[in-house]
Amino acid sequence: EDKVVQSPLSLVVHEGDTVTLNCSYEVTNFRSLLWYKQEKKAPTFLFMLTSSGIEKKSGRLSSILDKKELFSILNITATQTGDSAVYLCAVEWGDKIIFGKGTRLHILP
Amino acid sequence: DAGVIQSPRHEVTEMGQEVTLRCKPISGHNSLFWYRQTMMRGLELLIYFNNNVPIDDSGMPEDRFSAKMPNASFSTLKIQPSEPRDSAVYFCASSPSSGRPNEQFFGPGTRLTVL
Repeated sequence: EDKVVQSPLSLVVHEGDTVTLNCSYEVTNFRSLLWYKQEKKAPTFLFMLTSSGIEKKSGRLSSILDKKELFSILNITATQTGDSAVYLCAVEWGDKIIFGKGTRLHILP
Repeated sequence: DAGVIQSPRHEVTEMGQEVTLRCKPISGHNSLFWYRQTMMRGLELLIYFNNNVPIDDSGMPEDRFSAKMPNASFSTLKIQPSEPRDSAVYFCASSPSSGRPNEQFFGPGTRLTVL
């Protein structure tokens, strides 16, 4: 069964909208949760989260982790067409890393 | 900075053939990771090396897959014999420290199609 589950699987919104992407996990020996953005090529790193309740922010993107409820959200405000991509969540546990299947986000102009 | 270099970028082969994928990590990085990405299974870690030594190969699907890192600047992932279900994009990534995933830099990937 999947240890890292992302939702929704896909999302289509208009430019300027705000979106929230979800990632839930179920692992032991949790170390960190990571968000990546994947356009047509390779994933690029966005955030690493290790502590609950501390928001990480980079421009219009922000993310927060809830280690009690075992989930994280990635928010994108004032979306632009360049935000269209697959957003991947990964969980590092023990000495392993597991990726979710991603959320495909499409921003309409 | 050339980034992580992978070759070939695309490979089309017939079932049963041997396939060798190549990766040159970023100079100075001491960890290297091989991933496979498919629509069905997403991105999966196959194996990673630290200082040229394989640390975790539990993600390698079966004996048909093997990976080597003979030196700090080169790694190969070999599939022999290849099967249609091996069709995927194979990514190589490198990291400047001992496997901290947030510092991984991904290569452009090799798209493998096995007919």
